[in-house]
Amino acid sequence: EVQLLESGGGLVQPGGSLRLSCAASGFTFSSNAMSWVRQAPGGGLVWVSVFSGGGGGTYYADSVKGRFTISRDNPNNRVYLHMDSLRLEDTAVYYCAKHLSGTWSFDSWGQGTLVTVSS
Amino acid sequence: QSALTQPRSVSGSPGQSVTISCTGTSSDVGGYNYVSWYQQYPGRAPKFLIYDVSRRPSGVPDRFSASKSGNTASLTISGLQADDEADYYCCSYAGSFTWAFGGGTKVTVL
Repeated sequence: EVQLLESGGGLVQPGGSLRLSCAASGFTFSSNAMSWVRQAPGGGLVWVSVFSGGGGGTYYADSVKGRFTISRDNPNNRVYLHMDSLRLEDTAVYYCAKHLSGTWSFDSWGQGTLVTVSS
Repeated sequence: QSALTQPRSVSGSPGQSVTISCTGTSSDVGGYNYVSWYQQYPGRAPKFLIYDVSRRPSGVPDRFSASKSGNTASLTISGLQADDEADYYCCSYAGSFTWAFGGGTKVTVL
């Protein structure tokens, strides 16, 4: 059974930094692309970043480009999202999501971790 | 990366069918056969419903069906049940390793 468990959320001041972690199990982690998707309070889902599988690259939504960095630790089945220069509008639940191999969809999601940017 | 357009809400009585539209552009919905749909209950993580426009993962009832025409994708829920009351999101690959989600549609079972 695929499991994704996010951690690292919390309260941070504008301009601050935070690192989110997602621990994965139940599948061949290194082969799968992994994304972060966020959801502001009362809002919809918004794709944030992806680390493609098989040694591929990293990509970002325009809204976070230059401020967020996605990384992965394949031996330990973890993906991270390092967030710098946080803004009020980055407040959201951040979900880790696994991509279904061979297609561009998100077949498994974690339970999410809440990031609150506030002074 | 612009959001796809979905109706804010749709409703139907038990047993009826409802259809949710998802309108994008030729750069996302119309350009790729990588539209997916997700169901989300309040306070819960999204659940995978449909991928590659119309394919259902194992375990998803065939009451859920989907299609695409041009720049608009659609999700139909047939035989509406009480536990179908949830938010539904469409998503499309938008090229260059980016994705666009719709704003979400609240389905109400009357």
